[in-house]
Amino acid sequence: GAGVSQSPSNKVTEKGKDVELRCDPISGHTALYWYRQSLGQGLEFLIYFQGNSAPDKSGLPSDRFSAERTGGSVSTLTIQRTQQEDSAVYLCASSPGLNYNEQFFGPGTRLTVL
Amino acid sequence: GQQVMQIPQYQHVQEGEDFTTYCNSSTTLSNIQWYKQRPGGHPVFLIQLVKSGEVKKQKRLTFQFGEAKKNSSLHITATQTTDVGTYFCAPRGAGNMLTFGGGTRLMVKP
Repeated sequence: GAGVSQSPSNKVTEKGKDVELRCDPISGHTALYWYRQSLGQGLEFLIYFQGNSAPDKSGLPSDRFSAERTGGSVSTLTIQRTQQEDSAVYLCASSPGLNYNEQFFGPGTRLTVL
Repeated sequence: GQQVMQIPQYQHVQEGEDFTTYCNSSTTLSNIQWYKQRPGGHPVFLIQLVKSGEVKKQKRLTFQFGEAKKNSSLHITATQTTDVGTYFCAPRGAGNMLTFGGGTRLMVKP
């Protein structure tokens, strides 16, 4: 079946511009996560959604970052007034629910801020 | 929050040699997961350990969870070029949130 998809695969933007990154989770998965991976680094948790509950935003690095999940499916991560340090691969993952062990990752969006 | 340290950061091995990566925490963990990320790819789930002293095997891979549940290891026997990638440990916290270690990048010389 289809896995997690993310778009765009690559995004180059200028410092100060806003960007939107999209994630389509696996159909039926209620939990959705966003992570950030800087070059050669580990993954940093950003935010997660579980069903209709309020999202856990504890990992968002600043108020320039926000995320929405519409209808319990597609999610959009928005970065306002991008900075060069925002350059990274943004990975989305989904899982069937909170008690499910495995998270299924998408291919990521590589963001470059010039 | 939970933090884990992984060592080594990098490991070069000759094909056929064994490889081990270690994951250490200053706090007791309720569980730990391992993921593999191939170069240019995304993390793929390998396993979750929950019990103190647990040992699980997947073909040439052996995963251990320490008795005190503060450390874990992944051992690969007789590495192959297909084992190349970065291996991450990640405790699973509240809400299934993962806290990833820095990873160990494995390079295998054929």
